[in-house]
Amino acid sequence: ETGVTQSPTHLIKTRGQQVTLRCSSQSGHNTVSWYQQALGQGPQFIFQYYREEENGRGNFPPRFSGLQFPNYSSELNVNALELDDSALYLCASSRSGVAYEQYFGPGTRLTVT
Amino acid sequence: EDQVTQSPEALRLQEGESSSLNCSYTVSGLRGLFWYRQDPGKGPEFLFTLYSAGEEKEKERLKATLTKKESFLHITAPKPEDSATYLCAVIISSGSARQLTFGSGTQLTVLP
Repeated sequence: ETGVTQSPTHLIKTRGQQVTLRCSSQSGHNTVSWYQQALGQGPQFIFQYYREEENGRGNFPPRFSGLQFPNYSSELNVNALELDDSALYLCASSRSGVAYEQYFGPGTRLTVT
Repeated sequence: EDQVTQSPEALRLQEGESSSLNCSYTVSGLRGLFWYRQDPGKGPEFLFTLYSAGEEKEKERLKATLTKKESFLHITAPKPEDSATYLCAVIISSGSARQLTFGSGTQLTVLP
């Protein structure tokens, strides 16, 4: 069984730029969630995708957007990067329905300078 | 407002010294409580799901329990490889989404 994978591992961007992060979900999972984790904090929910549509969003501005593809992989796009966007970005996949366990990928470390 | 609070923030134990981590929660309608382990710079690793008060789950030296207001992660005779940050999270429903709300974690260090 293939686990959740994310790319790239690390990324350095300049304030104002745009970034795209990618995630491949675990085999058999059709739901993808994205989280932002600042240093020393727990992950914060950004949004969730199911059947290629966003079906829930946390307290993040519209410059955070995403996509889910027919093979259930997903992208997180962030426009107009700010210094505070520096964080570990985590993707988690799960099955829909009763079993809510979410399995996380290794994350992408984004640094904005 | 749904909240998850973990204590202590940090815990140092000697190898073999058992202890417990606490996760207290305030949610309207708990749909599940999860424990994860996170190593530095890595993604959280799923440990347990608990759904109802009185439920217990065990895995090696770890045991998770759940009451109506809190959960405990008991660590029996820990080893240095148990050193990590342990995260607690609850499932809340946001529209049709199932989002995890996390605590800030307990950083556990087990000394040899």
